[in-house]
Amino acid sequence: NAGVTQTPKFRVLKTGQSMTLLCAQDMNHEYMYWYRQDPGMGLRLIHYSVGEGTTAKGEVPDGYNVSRLKKQNFLLGLESAAPSQTSVYFCASSQTLLSVYEQYFGPGTRLTVT
Amino acid sequence: GQSLEQPSEVTAVEGAIVQINCTYQTSGFYGLSWYQQHDGGAPTFLSYNALDGLEETGRFSSFLSRSDSYGYLLLQELQMKDSASYFCAVRDPNYGQNFVFGPGTRLSVLP
Repeated sequence: NAGVTQTPKFRVLKTGQSMTLLCAQDMNHEYMYWYRQDPGMGLRLIHYSVGEGTTAKGEVPDGYNVSRLKKQNFLLGLESAAPSQTSVYFCASSQTLLSVYEQYFGPGTRLTVT
Repeated sequence: GQSLEQPSEVTAVEGAIVQINCTYQTSGFYGLSWYQQHDGGAPTFLSYNALDGLEETGRFSSFLSRSDSYGYLLLQELQMKDSASYFCAVRDPNYGQNFVFGPGTRLSVLP
């Protein structure tokens, strides 16, 4: 099993450009999450999904959109990138609500917006 | 809302024992988790406490006191590979019971 994978691993964008980050998991998990991590800080939840076709806002959703068309995939979109979105983005998954305390993380995407 | 406090840095020597503390303020409490993250890596799950007391997993133990809104991670027989950042996290009912993470404690293990 590959676990949780993220594409791409690195990306540099210019202000105003758009991009989509792809997260895939092969553990048949119901819950998926997108976090951002800024230097010296903990993880902050952007959006999450409790199942195929569902999404919800987290703590810092502004400037991002998500979609969960297939259970195994969770996409994070930036419509018009801003320098404040320079960060490391982590995707995670967990099996059920009862086991949400144990999340499995992908390797991260390092995004720089110039 | 939720807020968590951790020391920013801790330093210890190989073979020693170190304790990383976490205090939290929450509008609802459903448990405290701990994650480890090496530089450039992804967070990995270490432990979870829903009830008061000590949970032991090998060299790592985690403690919770709900009455004090306090928990700690105890690392014994420190090894160089334990040098990493450690995050505590609590479940947040505002976001579908997802987690809010603390700012993290950077542990440096010296030879």
